[in-house]
Amino acid sequence: DSGVTQTPKHLITATGQRVTLRCSPRSGDLSVYWYQQSLDQGLQFLIQYYNGEERAKGNILERFSAQQFPDLHSELNLSSLELGDSALYFCASSAGTSITDTQYFGPGTRLTVL
Amino acid sequence: GDSVTQMEGPVTLSEEACLTINCTYTATGYPSLFWYVQYPGEGLQLLLKATKADDKGSNKGFEATYRKETTSFHLEKGSVQVSDSAVYFCALRTGGSYIPTFGRGTSLIVHP
Repeated sequence: DSGVTQTPKHLITATGQRVTLRCSPRSGDLSVYWYQQSLDQGLQFLIQYYNGEERAKGNILERFSAQQFPDLHSELNLSSLELGDSALYFCASSAGTSITDTQYFGPGTRLTVL
Repeated sequence: GDSVTQMEGPVTLSEEACLTINCTYTATGYPSLFWYVQYPGEGLQLLLKATKADDKGSNKGFEATYRKETTSFHLEKGSVQVSDSAVYFCALRTGGSYIPTFGRGTSLIVHP
């Protein structure tokens, strides 16, 4: 158990809909990362927050947005969903922003768009 | 931009065989290097890391050496077990972008 929790575990929805994925980092960690894992794209970094502020941005679509709240939990919002958004979405956390920090991954949310 | 290239899998071995999974990288700046492992149905977990040239990371019998001259970080284990069956990801992070970059992953299957 990494100490990172993600809800829900599975999500099935239709094209055009909007969903929210939730992540609680390990106790004491200030950084949260979001990733998308699919068979064709592999593991893609989406975005990182540190103590409520956006820290680094990867290949995140404009239809996707995220935020980190004062209690440090984070939410990833996916809107106008397309079939291609079906994937595993992982959240990870780390203590800070150092490039040597270990990231601790949650169990993931499997999103299926029908 | 930064990139990580891993050998394609799956790698299929018998128990007690030697393992090498190749990883090479391209990075602007001086990266920290990581190997993560993903067991079926789970998230990734750190296996080992190295943060400067010639450092050797090691854990659970696995090891990898940060080779700046060949821009490589190959994962090795002398004797694999069935329980090592998983997907292994090589990753890097540089101080320029802070963006974590992962390889495509290499599936390892170990038969008894």
